[in-house]
Amino acid sequence: QVQLVQSGAEVRKPGASVKVSCKVPADTLREMSMHWVRQTPGKGLEWLGGLDPDNGEIIYAQKFQGRVTMTEDTSIDTVYMELSTLTSDDTAVYFCTSAFYSSWSRWFDPWGQGTLVTVSS
Amino acid sequence: QSVLTQPPSVSAAPGQKVTISCSGSSSNIGTNYVSWYQQLPGTAPKLLIYDNDSRPSGVPDRFSGSKSGTSATLVITGLQTGDEADYFCASWDNFVSPVIFGGGTKLTVL
Repeated sequence: QVQLVQSGAEVRKPGASVKVSCKVPADTLREMSMHWVRQTPGKGLEWLGGLDPDNGEIIYAQKFQGRVTMTEDTSIDTVYMELSTLTSDDTAVYFCTSAFYSSWSRWFDPWGQGTLVTVSS
Repeated sequence: QSVLTQPPSVSAAPGQKVTISCSGSSSNIGTNYVSWYQQLPGTAPKLLIYDNDSRPSGVPDRFSGSKSGTSATLVITGLQTGDEADYFCASWDNFVSPVIFGGGTKLTVL
């Protein structure tokens, strides 16, 4: 079973940014379509964005456009999600997940263990 | 408020069967595949069902999925205490978002 290992919990002040990392097994990143999903007590699971393998572009949820950036470093098999201009509403557990993503089928497996991001003054 | 609607909670006794519904519309479930995820307390979601009714290897056949019209259903038979978890449906909406989730259903095995 593929394991995705995320970075540890973070605490940020409102207005700051946070960057969460997710390490995938060696030499598998090129075969994966990595996505990010967050979970809050009030809003359940929310998709932030991920790679569309059909065109090789990162697609972002409209809600987070302009605030979220997803990048990768293939040399160390790691993907990153950076969220800026944080507010208390961004307090959540952030998951990376490998997606099967196409125009006709989408599902997510496996998932990282999650990273708690707390935004508090 | 989620685009996909699930009951907040369901419960049943060990050994019994439970169904969890996921209601959407013609722009999401009505035309696209549904997947289901199990989230045990304190853990990450785990894929249970994909493409409406397909099970990944390793998922017991006690778990089954189906879709009819604009609704999908997850059925769990032979309930075990270890099935106590939150269950989420997911799909995509042709107009709203490339990925959408239901609000989740908490299963209690009495």
